[in-house]
Amino acid sequence: GESVGLHLPTLSVQEGDNSIINCAYSNSASDYFIWYKQESGKGPQFIIDIRSNMDKRQGQRVTVLLNKTVKHLSLQIAATQPGDSAVYFCAENSRGGSEKLVFGKGTKLTVNP
Amino acid sequence: GAGVSQSPSNKVTEKGKDVELRCDPISGHTALYWYRQSLGQGLEFLIYFQGNSAPDKSGLPSDRFSAERTGGSVSTLTIQRTQQEDSAVYLCASSYGAKGKGAQHFGDGTRLSIL
Repeated sequence: GESVGLHLPTLSVQEGDNSIINCAYSNSASDYFIWYKQESGKGPQFIIDIRSNMDKRQGQRVTVLLNKTVKHLSLQIAATQPGDSAVYFCAENSRGGSEKLVFGKGTKLTVNP
Repeated sequence: GAGVSQSPSNKVTEKGKDVELRCDPISGHTALYWYRQSLGQGLEFLIYFQGNSAPDKSGLPSDRFSAERTGGSVSTLTIQRTQQEDSAVYLCASSYGAKGKGAQHFGDGTRLSIL
């Protein structure tokens, strides 16, 4: 069945360093991917998305890379700040299917000052 | 403009009682989704509404769960005869309903605790 998972459940970085959060997916029909940030007590907040016809997309301080060959997705955060501390989820949606998203379990990012 | 609004933010009830959770989507969004998040877990899809189409109910865990969306806007998720395993955060999201035309935007959820 479908599954989206993360390699590392926790990640701790120093303020100012770059962070990389990884995600593996198993559904080859997935064609749309989203990264969300979730702070304690809040709902997931949209960060960036990417379609399967792209392999890289950049936002403000964030970059998403998609490798369809190995079904791997990553989120890069440049110059990580304490406010970036949160749980990050990748989510995917399958071509031709419902608009529902399949979420991974999340990676907790801690930024140390 | 306002984001997705959910109420109540917290709900504590006794096992066996019925509960209703409300979601007000972002104005103009035609698609509405309900997800459930257990402690320390990812989000589990429950149900999806898109316009006047029949909802996708494939994620509802049992027939105790149901949802309605009136007038294409506000949605209510109802859980009948609640069980302790229903304790979770229930999240609602809305979008324009077409991939690539806007991602799903979430409310802050209703934290449901069943005693």
